[in-house]
Amino acid sequence: QSVLTQPPSVSAAPGQRVTISCSGGSSNIGNQYVAWYQQLPGTVPKLLIYQNDKRPSGIPDRFSGSKSGTSATLGITGLQTGDEADYYCGTWDSSLSNVVFGGGTKLTVL
Amino acid sequence: QVQLVESGGGVVQPGGSLRLSCAASGFTFGSYVMHWVRQAPGKGLEWVTGLWQDGSHIHYIDSVKGRFTISRDNSKNTLYLQMNSLRAEDTGVYYCAREGELHRLDFDTWGQGTVVTVSS
Repeated sequence: QSVLTQPPSVSAAPGQRVTISCSGGSSNIGNQYVAWYQQLPGTVPKLLIYQNDKRPSGIPDRFSGSKSGTSATLGITGLQTGDEADYYCGTWDSSLSNVVFGGGTKLTVL
Repeated sequence: QVQLVESGGGVVQPGGSLRLSCAASGFTFGSYVMHWVRQAPGKGLEWVTGLWQDGSHIHYIDSVKGRFTISRDNSKNTLYLQMNSLRAEDTGVYYCAREGELHRLDFDTWGQGTVVTVSS
């Protein structure tokens, strides 16, 4: 069981907007930055969002991140079929002294 | 360009050992914190261990403490993971990952992964 809780799956139609939640606690999300990763089928994970809401160079502004209290959210607008992937949140847990990930959310673009 | 290339994976019996390597290029390896992250077949990401630039700080997930050892050779731009007393639950793809600058605790660069299979 993951320290961070994500919905197992979300779906939406092309062009629409979807959000993926990541819930944690005071020892992780509540006091640490959150990152989001995209793993397309059969590929290596890729950093999408870091420090809650920053995008690395090359990541389109269709992807956004936010954090409030002990929860974080990834938003994706203008959905494309190429966005179908597994998405993971991750952060540091100060109680465990570990990096922790959510269980992952599978995005389906209908 | 920035690149991480893992090697050393394979098939090993329970109780056996493997040593993974991660060769870095395209950046100043000695300036970055480095990590190993694994993914069991059909499962999510699991952080395994991380090592500071100068080796002064090391962290492990509880399930590998006492069995795995992370190390680095900054002169060779290489990260290592010595895995002993391997168990079936250690099976998966092992990724080498670079931490973002200034101890950001996110992973901005990933290798292609090396597959470890623990089976009799």
